[in-house]
Amino acid sequence: QQQVKQSPQSLIVQKGGISIINCAYENTAFDYFPWYQQFPGKGPALLIAIRPDVSEKKEGRFTISFNKSAKQFSLHIMDSQPGDSATYFCAATGSNYQLIWGAGTKLIIKP
Amino acid sequence: DAMVIQNPRYQVTQFGKPVTLSCSQTLNHNVMYWYQQKSSQAPKLLFHYYDKDFNNEADTPDNFQSRRPNTSFCFLDIRSPGLGDAAMYLCATSRTLQGFNEQFFGPGTRLTVL
Repeated sequence: QQQVKQSPQSLIVQKGGISIINCAYENTAFDYFPWYQQFPGKGPALLIAIRPDVSEKKEGRFTISFNKSAKQFSLHIMDSQPGDSATYFCAATGSNYQLIWGAGTKLIIKP
Repeated sequence: DAMVIQNPRYQVTQFGKPVTLSCSQTLNHNVMYWYQQKSSQAPKLLFHYYDKDFNNEADTPDNFQSRRPNTSFCFLDIRSPGLGDAAMYLCATSRTLQGFNEQFFGPGTRLTVL
């Protein structure tokens, strides 16, 4: 019940296309859902996050869609650029500190 | 400008030879975390400090220890590294322990065990 399932494991998208990464969770006590972006040789960095009281959050080209009833959330990257090539992790957390991480998606944007 | 600094960036040690990794932060955050990240996997939390209070995750091996002498610094000691301990070690900080607080990660130390 503590798991966060992330798919796909890897994704190749043409430059200018839309990248979509999906996550699902079981624990209804989760109330904060961040996405972290990690470039090779770097630590993860917070990209965007959402709370379950909204269905969508947009920051620039990055959008989180949240479906509370289905216990699913997804990251959409519009107009994907080669600089977006990285590993993306979804995560979930409740009232305590511990982030429950998805397995990660390696995204490659082809020029 | 750097907020979470880790030294060294690359560390090579021999099987069984103790090693210490260091982390410092300029954010003045109360919480410091150590994660282990193996290739193509998500980070795995080893332990954290809230101020001086230490919390070990249940499945963290005894081989791993940590010290936090002051707010800014935290150390990860691996007493007898095995081949399975080769990984990236990430230090992170957050303002409080509440889950919605962003965790700020350092660049990591890649540990190689020969």
